[in-house]
Amino acid sequence: DAKTTQPPSMDCAEGRAANLPCNHSTISGNEYVYWYRQIHSQGPQYIIHGLKNNETNEMASLIITEDRKSSTLILPHATLRDTAVYYCIVREAPINAGGTSYGKLTFGQGTILTVHP
Amino acid sequence: DGGITQSPKYLFRKEGQNVTLSCEQNLNHDAMYWYRQDPGQGLRLIYYSQIVNDFQKGDIAEGYSVSREKKESFPLTVTSAQKNPTAFYLCASSSISGLDTQYFGPGTRLTVL
Repeated sequence: DAKTTQPPSMDCAEGRAANLPCNHSTISGNEYVYWYRQIHSQGPQYIIHGLKNNETNEMASLIITEDRKSSTLILPHATLRDTAVYYCIVREAPINAGGTSYGKLTFGQGTILTVHP
Repeated sequence: DGGITQSPKYLFRKEGQNVTLSCEQNLNHDAMYWYRQDPGQGLRLIYYSQIVNDFQKGDIAEGYSVSREKKESFPLTVTSAQKNPTAFYLCASSSISGLDTQYFGPGTRLTVL
């Protein structure tokens, strides 16, 4: 089961900032928060990830609360092409067994972001 | 261009037939993954492979099989034992399993008639 809770849908006006919240109250100390988005009938696109500190890249900013129980993805100037399903994912810590490691991505329902003119 | 390719984009098969979905990457990634997505749902992990000639079952491996004979290729076979094979199938890869970002291919939509 997904370890995150997101609102099922949100709207945003084109050119405005889109702020997508995510709750992950059971996150462990070594688990990262990842954000992906998926446009209809395409593969998910990686956006950003973080552990404790706020992160920013060319696509978005990620704000993680000090207690790490929630985070917000910010698209600073939303465009119509940002309309997609946005997934907040807590990535399981790798489990070392026999020299191998693996960090599973568990996708929940996500938030449908609709950017309108 | 570097990336992950999946072919074909749309695939139709008759019930009871096995079908193999292709996934190729030229990113020099060690790890590769197969996910399944049903309408309105998130992704579920079918199989993953951390190195060549090794692969592990994910959460819903029943009715599926994989091989990893080459680093750049990770084909998925949907067998007749899979009860509900109609779905959107996504392949992903990452440079170091468990430690690095997974990047996804464009997906294959399989419809079993």
